[in-house]
Amino acid sequence: AQSVTQLGSHVSVSEGALVLLRCNYSSSVPPYLFWYVQYPNQGLQLLLKYTSAATLVKGINGFEAEFKKSETSFHLTKPSAHMSDAAEYFCAFRMDSSYKLIFGSGTRLLVRP
Amino acid sequence: DAMVIQNPRYQVTQFGKPVTLSCSQTLNHNVMYWYQQKSSQAPKLLFHYYDKDFNNEADTPDNFQSRRPNTSFCFLDIRSPGLGDAAMYLCATSRGALAGRSDTQYFGPGTRLTVL
Repeated sequence: AQSVTQLGSHVSVSEGALVLLRCNYSSSVPPYLFWYVQYPNQGLQLLLKYTSAATLVKGINGFEAEFKKSETSFHLTKPSAHMSDAAEYFCAFRMDSSYKLIFGSGTRLLVRP
Repeated sequence: DAMVIQNPRYQVTQFGKPVTLSCSQTLNHNVMYWYQQKSSQAPKLLFHYYDKDFNNEADTPDNFQSRRPNTSFCFLDIRSPGLGDAAMYLCATSRGALAGRSDTQYFGPGTRLTVL
């Protein structure tokens, strides 16, 4: 079955440290992949997306992600964490034959001063 | 700015009292989605409209209904809310098949529903 897995329900980093949020997908063909961020009591905001063009995708707020077909991964990174990055992050994918999103379970990012 | 708007942002209702949540969009997108999101969980798709065509998810309870009177508006009706229906309800839109591989869902700010 097609699915997406986010490793680590909580990730804690110090301000200024590297942020790495992991996402792996399970699909027989490469899907389209998305990262969304959700702040408390807010909707989901699109950070970036992979739609089979460049494998390294740059998004908003200094985030980027790299699609690695050999590892079935789409990990989200940011070189230097800021306090304002504290939020819930969701990885999601969509198959070419569908416009419905399949979400991972989410990772809560905590940023320590 | 083109956007997805949800009203109200916070809704309190009583057990069993019908409630309607509203979503509107200025993106002129073909598809509108309703999600339910409970605390510390991923959003769960309830149903979506592709233009006027309604598509229900297999596990969406009959208690949840939806209406889309025109391209811009979509409503979520909960006929008899139970305590378990307390959640954040998210509306999203996308262009659908016309966008091809670039199709992307854009979300509104959500409505937090409390059931007393």
